[in-house]
Amino acid sequence: QKEVEQNSGPLSVPEGAIASLNCTYSDRGSQSFFWYRQYSGKSPELIMSIYSNGDKEDGRFTAQLNKASQYVSLLIRDSQPSDSATYLCAVLSGSARQLTFGSGTQLTVLP
Amino acid sequence: DVKVTQSSRYLVKRTGEKVFLECVQDMDHENMFWYRQDPGLGLRLIYFSYDVKMKEKGDIPEGYSVSREKKERFSLILESASTNQTSMYLCASSLNRNIQYFGAGTRLSVL
Repeated sequence: QKEVEQNSGPLSVPEGAIASLNCTYSDRGSQSFFWYRQYSGKSPELIMSIYSNGDKEDGRFTAQLNKASQYVSLLIRDSQPSDSATYLCAVLSGSARQLTFGSGTQLTVLP
Repeated sequence: DVKVTQSSRYLVKRTGEKVFLECVQDMDHENMFWYRQDPGLGLRLIYFSYDVKMKEKGDIPEGYSVSREKKERFSLILESASTNQTSMYLCASSLNRNIQYFGAGTRLSVL
């Protein structure tokens, strides 16, 4: 059983819409949660981190964490074609030093 | 800004060759990681290191070894390259158990 699950997509949204990306995880002891964006042929870059329940906003991006339900989501408001990429959810579990990554959700924003 | 530098963007090697992939970080991070990324399989951890001369196996260590003689440098070694090791290799570093920062990646082709 995979420890971090994401819908692989592809997810398509029109320009200006809200894109909603979801991630569930299996380890209740997980403490830190990250969203990375990866453009085709490039390396992942961090866009959001979240450590406590609730919402965290940064510009057009909002990360939401619900530890009781073991999910973390990323909302992208006013989506732009430049947001088209694969979004990776990553979770730091318990006492581990290494992240567990989901397989990523491919997002396409249509002009 | 954190900088993680991988020595080569593209490499072409022959089956059976010994291959060295080098990674250097400039932020005095204690943790360093090697991943490979393949279509449909996501990011898979090969090895990581949490201190000089320390290493731990990740999910897919077979066919690989690593070396960390200095804190800033983490090398991935393919003792005898095989065609199934053709992949994108990504190095990352982190401070404590926090955000991982990635290098640009090395696309390795083994012929």
